[in-house]
Amino acid sequence: QKEVEQDPGPLSVPEGAIVSLNCTYSNSAFQYFMWYRQYSRKGPELLMYTYSSGNKEDGRFTAQVDKSSKYISLFIRDSQPSDSATYLCAMRSTNSGYALNFGKGTSLLVTP
Amino acid sequence: ETGVTQSPTHLIKTRGQQVTLRCSSQSGHNTVSWYQQALGQGPQFIFQYYREEENGRGNFPPRFSGLQFPNYSSELNVNALELDDSALYLCASSSQGGVPEAFFGQGTRLTVV
Repeated sequence: QKEVEQDPGPLSVPEGAIVSLNCTYSNSAFQYFMWYRQYSRKGPELLMYTYSSGNKEDGRFTAQVDKSSKYISLFIRDSQPSDSATYLCAMRSTNSGYALNFGKGTSLLVTP
Repeated sequence: ETGVTQSPTHLIKTRGQQVTLRCSSQSGHNTVSWYQQALGQGPQFIFQYYREEENGRGNFPPRFSGLQFPNYSSELNVNALELDDSALYLCASSSQGGVPEAFFGQGTRLTVV
């Protein structure tokens, strides 16, 4: 079993929809949780990071972490065609340096 | 613009050859990590360098090796290339003792034939 599980999709939504992306994990030592966006043939771009449990909002993006359930989410409000990309969740513990454990990525398509 | 640059962007090598990939970290960052991303998969951690020493390694064989230089730039070397080494190789820079985020370069796409 992989430490981080993420539904690869693909997920297709109409423009303006609310998108929910999720990951589950098994390692209770994970403390830092990140979401990256990756366009085709490009490197991952950091969207948000959260330390421990709780919510964090940045514009149209909201990240949630529920450590009791080992479940993290990214919500995108008012989705735009430019949001079409692969979304990767990543996480690490405090004593692992910067070694990130990634999910497989969810492919999102926002149609006009 | 993350400030992390990698070279070359694309590379084709023959099985059994050796390859060196390069990374310049973002200004002010002292830690470099390397990841391998196969098609349709998430990045897999290869190793990390801090103060010119390897201080963390993923599940990769010794033919994957690296260096970090005093200016914090880094190299990834892969010997005896195998077909399964074909992937996007990503470099990420971060700052020990600073913000916890890691910032990635655009990657080097390696094809082994």
